Amino acid sequence: EDQVTQSPEALRLQEGESSSLNCSYTVSGLRGLFWYRQDPGKGPEFLFTLYSAGEEKEKERLKATLTKKESFLHITAPKPEDSATYLCAVYGGATNKLIFGTGTLLAVQP
Amino acid sequence: NAGVTQTPKFQVLKTGQSMTLQCAQDMNHEYMSWYRQDPGMGLRLIHYSVGAGITDQGEVPNGYNVSRSTTEDFPLRLLSAAPSQTSVYFCASSFSNNREQFFGPGTRLTVL
Repeated sequence: EDQVTQSPEALRLQEGESSSLNCSYTVSGLRGLFWYRQDPGKGPEFLFTLYSAGEEKEKERLKATLTKKESFLHITAPKPEDSATYLCAVYGGATNKLIFGTGTLLAVQP
Repeated sequence: NAGVTQTPKFQVLKTGQSMTLQCAQDMNHEYMSWYRQDPGMGLRLIHYSVGAGITDQGEVPNGYNVSRSTTEDFPLRLLSAAPSQTSVYFCASSFSNNREQFFGPGTRLTVL
């Protein structure tokens, strides 16, 4: 069964304390992995798309990487405004539809 | 560009009532979709459309209908609301089904 699992469920960091969020997937025939940021009461906001193992994308303090089994979202020297839920989604597999993980709730304390 | 817009933002229904959630996009995207988001379950696909006149079911289609008469609009109809349909509903659009999707602000629906 196609599945996307994100860990940890919640993460609390001090401002400046770098860390990584994990997205592992069991989807055959991956056609794209997506990272989104979601603020409370709002719709998900697109961050990155990764299409093949070894690919990396960067944006400000965020860097996304992809292997054949998982993706990491690295957050370098986070700030309080980086606090949000980060969602991972995978396209491909038997159903050829987008499957979302349940997200990681990140809180960055000043 | 307004992007993806959804109305209403909030809605309260009684069991058995019907209603339509509106979704529009001005980016000329062919692919549009509806999701529901429930605590601890992530976003789940309800219905999607790959172009005007073409719709298909997602993971949780029961109790919902859609149509796509224009490229811009993709309304979601609740036929007979049930408490299990209490959720936050998001509409999204993209150039194709393997490209990044752009989400609307959501509709928070409560069914009593």
